[in-house]
Amino acid sequence: AQSVTQPDIHITVSEGASLELRCNYSYGATPYLFWYVQSPGQGLQLLLKYFSGDTLVQGIKGFEAEFKRSQSSFNLRKPSVHWSDAAEYFCAVGSASNYQLIWGAGTKLIIKP
Amino acid sequence: ETGVTQTPRHLVMGMTNKKSLKCEQHLGHNAMYWYKQSAKKPLELMFVYSLEERVENNSVPSRFSPECPNSSHLFLHLHTLQPEDSALYLCASSQRLAGLSYNEQFFGPGTRLTVL
Repeated sequence: AQSVTQPDIHITVSEGASLELRCNYSYGATPYLFWYVQSPGQGLQLLLKYFSGDTLVQGIKGFEAEFKRSQSSFNLRKPSVHWSDAAEYFCAVGSASNYQLIWGAGTKLIIKP
Repeated sequence: ETGVTQTPRHLVMGMTNKKSLKCEQHLGHNAMYWYKQSAKKPLELMFVYSLEERVENNSVPSRFSPECPNSSHLFLHLHTLQPEDSALYLCASSQRLAGLSYNEQFFGPGTRLTVL
């Protein structure tokens, strides 16, 4: 079955600390992978995407993610978080032949001052 | 207006009311989506309109009825809703190419629906 797992419902990090949010997927086709962020009361904003090529992709707001096919993972990282990064983060997977996305349940990031 | 807009942003309705949610995209895309977002659950795709084709999630109750009069506008008509339908309803759009799909979706801010 196709699925996306974000194992951490909540993560708390101190401002200035590094961050890694985990995403694992199960998908039958070559995956397209996405990370979105949702601030309170807002819609989802695309942070970064992977279609092909270099497995380390850079996104907006200083985020990056690495596609590891052998581990079926697409973890999101940031070297130093800011209080404004507090939000919910969603991982999603799709493919060239299916425009529908499979979504993870999200990880809520809490920033400690 | 830019991107994807949704109105109203907040809606409170009784179970016997009829209301509609509106979505408009200003990106020139040819696919539009309705999602339901409930707390602690993955996004639930409700309906897709793409290249004049409509796809729906068979688990969506008939009290939700979509309408897509053109590629820029999408409506979700609501009638006789239940309290469990209270959620954030998100609209999204994307560009679908013939024979190839790029799934990058652009989202509106959502409509927070409360059913009393």
